[in-house]
Amino acid sequence: SQQGEEDPQALSIQEGENATMNCSYKTSINNLQWYRQNSGRGLVHLILIRSNEREKHSGRLRVTLDTSKKSSSLLITASRAADTASYFCATDFNDYKLSFGAGTTVTVRA
Amino acid sequence: DARVTQTPRHKVTEMGQEVTMRCQPILGHNTVFWYRQTMMQGLELLAYFRNRAPLDDSGMPKDRFSAEMPDATLATLKIQPSEPRDSAVYFCASRVGDYGYTFGSGTRLTVV
Repeated sequence: SQQGEEDPQALSIQEGENATMNCSYKTSINNLQWYRQNSGRGLVHLILIRSNEREKHSGRLRVTLDTSKKSSSLLITASRAADTASYFCATDFNDYKLSFGAGTTVTVRA
Repeated sequence: DARVTQTPRHKVTEMGQEVTMRCQPILGHNTVFWYRQTMMQGLELLAYFRNRAPLDDSGMPKDRFSAEMPDATLATLKIQPSEPRDSAVYFCASRVGDYGYTFGSGTRLTVV
């Protein structure tokens, strides 16, 4: 069963705008990870945030984690056409297995 | 860049045939995973290995699927006999420690 659930399921934005997607999960985690998947390709690891961290940045990506609410958010700033992809959150429960959500499909319009 | 290599990239087979998918994890990565992705179920964990030992294959239909790591450079996933409902993209991924996974490009399997 999928542990993480992303919201929204789909997002369409104009190039240059910011994109925000959220992930909720059910049980305690060791860390939470975000991945990107371009159409027809494998998943690419974007960022990992540990349970004792609240915010992390990587380039135009900003991830927050609220363990009290069991939720995380991924913000992509100044979006580009190349950011068009599906984004997945994945939760790690200390046993090295990741449980993936259903993903958010992001479309960036030129 | 180090990468996880999966072969074949595409496979079309007839129902009842045996299918073997191969994965070469990144050298030094001691944990290897097999996932299946479908539109309906999303990403499902089928099996994973740590230091070549199978740790969890509870996600696999045992009667037809088998996963092995004959050595540190090769992981295999076999389906025998294959069924149309097995049509999906199968991903192999590897990691070391609790860092992020590195995924292969996947094997797109179509069973007709």
